[in-house]
Amino acid sequence: QSVLTQPPSASGTPGQRVTISCSGSSSNIGSNYVYWYQQLPGTAPKLLIYRNNQRPSGVPDRFSGSKSGTSASLAISGLRSEDEADYYCAAWDDSLSGRWVFGGGTKLTVL
Amino acid sequence: QVTLRESGPALVKPTQTLTLTCTFSGFSLSTSGMCVSWIRQPPGKALEWLALIDWDDDKYYSTSLKTRLTISKDTSKNQVVLTMTNMDPVDTATYYCARAFYKTDAFDIWGQGTMVTVSS
Repeated sequence: QSVLTQPPSASGTPGQRVTISCSGSSSNIGSNYVYWYQQLPGTAPKLLIYRNNQRPSGVPDRFSGSKSGTSASLAISGLRSEDEADYYCAAWDDSLSGRWVFGGGTKLTVL
Repeated sequence: QVTLRESGPALVKPTQTLTLTCTFSGFSLSTSGMCVSWIRQPPGKALEWLALIDWDDDKYYSTSLKTRLTISKDTSKNQVVLTMTNMDPVDTATYYCARAFYKTDAFDIWGQGTMVTVSS
């Protein structure tokens, strides 16, 4: 059971806009930044969004992040076949001396 | 160029202790704020954070695994070591190490991961 809650799956057709939600609590999302990672099949996770809505160099602007209260969202616009991957949200949690917590991951399928 | 590489046994027996080493290059763990974390992923399952060590030798552990984990660093060798005691088949996973600029900041660079199977 992950501390952050994500839908297990999402899907869309090429060109569509898809959003993935991530729900937490006051001790994690509510008081710290949210990060998003993309994991392509058989590869290590890659940083996609940092500090709620910032994109590392090289990440297309089709990817965007937002946060409100204890929830966050990842939006992917202009969906492409290569976006098919697992997406994880993460946040620092201030409880219990501090720890990182992840969401359970969302498998995005491009139909 | 920043790289991290995990190494360790591919197979361990139940009750044994696992020792994994993260060897990195392109940055120093003596730089103020710098951190390295260990994260694992059982086959077909989600990522799970395990432990973090920072430049000042402060350590943070997963609540559920705290009693079994020890993280340490050797700054001169550019290595971070994770030990996990009393291994069980449910600990079968790919283990990753990753860098962050501060303990609450993004894991910006990840290693390729090392698969560990726990079986008798």
